[in-house]
Amino acid sequence: QKEVEQNSGPLSVPEGAIASLNCTYSDRGSQSFFWYRQYSGKSPELIMFIYSNGDKEDGRFTAQLNKASQYVSLLIRDSQPSDSATYLCAATTGGFKTIFGAGTRLFVKA
Amino acid sequence: GAVVSQHPSWVICKSGTSVKIECRSLDFQATTMFWYRQFPKQSLMLMATSNEGSKATYEQGVEKDKFLINHASLTLSTLTVTSAHPEDSSFYICSATEGNIQYFGAGTRLSVL
Repeated sequence: QKEVEQNSGPLSVPEGAIASLNCTYSDRGSQSFFWYRQYSGKSPELIMFIYSNGDKEDGRFTAQLNKASQYVSLLIRDSQPSDSATYLCAATTGGFKTIFGAGTRLFVKA
Repeated sequence: GAVVSQHPSWVICKSGTSVKIECRSLDFQATTMFWYRQFPKQSLMLMATSNEGSKATYEQGVEKDKFLINHASLTLSTLTVTSAHPEDSSFYICSATEGNIQYFGAGTRLSVL
């Protein structure tokens, strides 16, 4: 069973702090990794994707991938209350099927 | 990013009726689309994979005769919930793949009375 595991949270951080969200995956054949944000009652929206080991930065967001450890993370710098949402990690193998984690709820306290 | 349109965003229907939900890729062609269901405070549950020009692939436990999927063109997939019952009330979300990235529609909230 191919799985993507996330801590359900909630993760609570103060405004302005760094939020660190983590994810592990079981399928070593996974090649592409994604982070989606889902606000309550809304559908997921893509934040970032990463294919190669290392870091990828986009504004306040940094995705980190370590294929040897089968580990993906998302860092959110200068967290804002508007970042409060559920963050979904996803992994895709060579085909089109993407496996989603159950999500981590993040609360950013003003 | 790519845009996926889903319609309607909200539907209320009587028990026993059928409801059709449309999912369109607006600025790209999608040979593969996905249909998900999400209950409150729960994670996404993949229902089926919709392939243009062929039969959909349903996940285990999803009734193919109840959730009819048609993917007649490269930009449109439809999900029909047949003979809907209150337990079918949920948030239905489609996605379309461009390259290997999934882009989601806004979702359809179905309430069956």
